[in-house]
Amino acid sequence: SQQGEEDPQALSIQEGENATMNCSYKTSINNLQWYRQNSGRGLVHLILIRSNEREKHSGRLRVTLDTSKKSSSLLITASRAADTASYFCATGSPETGANSKLTFGKGITLSVRP
Amino acid sequence: SAVISQKPSRDICQRGTSLTIQCQVDSQVTMMFWYRQQPGQSLTLIATANQGSEATYESGFVIDKFPISRPNLTFSTLTVSNMSPEDSSIYLCSVSVYREQPQHFGDGTRLSIL
Repeated sequence: SQQGEEDPQALSIQEGENATMNCSYKTSINNLQWYRQNSGRGLVHLILIRSNEREKHSGRLRVTLDTSKKSSSLLITASRAADTASYFCATGSPETGANSKLTFGKGITLSVRP
Repeated sequence: SAVISQKPSRDICQRGTSLTIQCQVDSQVTMMFWYRQQPGQSLTLIATANQGSEATYESGFVIDKFPISRPNLTFSTLTVSNMSPEDSSIYLCSVSVYREQPQHFGDGTRLSIL
């Protein structure tokens, strides 16, 4: 079953604006990862945040993690048309341990208008 | 990050036939996974491909339907057997160099069954 639930399901913004996407999960985790999928392609790993971390940055990306609320957010600043894609959060749980299995959320479709 | 080549990139198959998908990595990796992404949906883990032993299947997936091989640390195959239209999906291979590290994905195999 899917653990992560992203919201909103779809987001449309103007180029230059910031995009915030949220992910909630149900059980304890080792880490939470965000991926991007351009139409018809494979997934690209964006950022991994561990359960003992609260915030991470990578370029225009900022990810936060609140384990007490079982939620994470992905912020894309100064969005570009090329950011148009589907975004997925995925969680790795302590139960899977060495197997490093990920459970993916349903995804968010981001459209950035030029 | 590892470079993953997945073949074929797409195929159209007849009902009742089988197709083998290959996943080749340019370096040795610890973990290899196979996912299914049904149209407009998120990713569902089919199985973890174990080097030199039988794959570990997730609930709802069985070896007879999705036999997997992993003869070494850089290569794996997934066969979709006795295909039906419900098997029309994107099948994705992913790898992780170390435990609990980001997974890197191939571009996927887009499979349509008539």
